Amino acid sequence: GEDVEQSLFLSVREGDSSVINCTYTDSSSTYLYWYKQEPGAGLQLLTYIFSNMDMKQDQRLTVLLNKKDKHLSLRIADTQTGDSAIYFCAEEAGANNLFFGTGTRLTVIP
Amino acid sequence: GAVVSQHPSRVICKSGTSVKIECRSLDFQATTMFWYRQFPKKSLMLMATSNEGSKATYEQGVEKDKFLINHASLTLSTLTVTSAHPEDSSFYICSARDRFSSYEQYFGPGTRLTVT
Repeated sequence: GEDVEQSLFLSVREGDSSVINCTYTDSSSTYLYWYKQEPGAGLQLLTYIFSNMDMKQDQRLTVLLNKKDKHLSLRIADTQTGDSAIYFCAEEAGANNLFFGTGTRLTVIP
Repeated sequence: GAVVSQHPSRVICKSGTSVKIECRSLDFQATTMFWYRQFPKKSLMLMATSNEGSKATYEQGVEKDKFLINHASLTLSTLTVTSAHPEDSSFYICSARDRFSSYEQYFGPGTRLTVT
């Protein structure tokens, strides 16, 4: 099946930029997503990118998509302590199904 | 924004009993709802896709007789874990797709199931 991979942990200092990376396998994905999960909570959609785009910016969030390498990244500018959470990338691979990566736990150090 | 609720948020049950988890779309109609299971320090695994008025489609390896899914209306899907065992303890998350949206799934807050 589809395989979506992320590194498990990332620590950054408050005010720095965070970059969370993700690789996926299904080249036919139409949408790719970034979700945020805070402790004990469900997932919150942060942003998404359509597969024919290279970049999307939304306030402090920048998504970069390298379709050739099947690589997706999420950059959070001026990272704040409230950004500490688990971030999941997900690809939509047919039949409206989402396949999630393992999640990256972002820790922001004050 | 679109809101999906789950009930209960936490449930503890004894081995051998059944427990039902509800997923509701509060302000939109969802022809399709999804059930995920999240293991500690692991990703979400799609269990099944439920379409209103029809049988759910289960992912490979998910026992349909153990995880009963009903999607009786455009705003409600239920997951019943039958004859629960401790290994069924997990965090179950549902999501719902707005019937008029082409891409976004709205996630519920999840249900923590503990089987003793």
